[in-house]
Amino acid sequence: DTEVTQTPKHLVMGMTNKKSLKCEQHMGHRAMYWYKQKAKKPPELMFVYSYEKLSINESVPSRFSPECPNSSLLNLHLHALQPEDSALYLCASNDGNSNQPQHFGDGTRLSIL
Amino acid sequence: QQPVQSPQAVILREGEDAVINCSSSKALYSVHWYRQKHGEAPVFLMILLKGGEQKGHEKISASFNEKKQQSSLYLTASQLSYSGTYFCGTERVKAAGNKLTFGGGTRVLVKP
Repeated sequence: DTEVTQTPKHLVMGMTNKKSLKCEQHMGHRAMYWYKQKAKKPPELMFVYSYEKLSINESVPSRFSPECPNSSLLNLHLHALQPEDSALYLCASNDGNSNQPQHFGDGTRLSIL
Repeated sequence: QQPVQSPQAVILREGEDAVINCSSSKALYSVHWYRQKHGEAPVFLMILLKGGEQKGHEKISASFNEKKQQSSLYLTASQLSYSGTYFCGTERVKAAGNKLTFGGGTRVLVKP
């Protein structure tokens, strides 16, 4: 079990659907991250929130829309996704300092039909 | 730029040692090491900040050569539990939140 909780664990959606991924942490961390990981590849950074404000957007397509309602929650809203968006989506959190590890959730495995 | 990890894969017998390298062409502020088992989340191992200090955790240790912009992870007297994919994540500048760029990974298999 990890201290970062992601729901759902699995998601199958069509290209016209709208869905959301949820991430929650109660460690008091002020930075939260979304990563995308394809099979046998490293995690790729998508977004970083620091103190509930978007601080990094790695040129992610607008069909992915992040939201940080409060310091414990991070959402990723999905709309009109493509089959190539099928991947494991990982959430992580830390206090934002370089000498602190990022704690990862177990991820949401997303399949686009 | 993505750091380069080597080797891409290594097979060990229990008790053997291995070294995994992570190199960057750009100046680094920190290097983070993670291990990911199949179907699981990446698990933090250690962080190296510029300054060359060697860190250790049980029989896994790491170093950071600031001049070469290279970090090495040392697996000593490997155990079956060491199997997994090891990723280095590099941070080029200190900014709000850690922008980590992960290397391609090194797959480690430890056999009895």
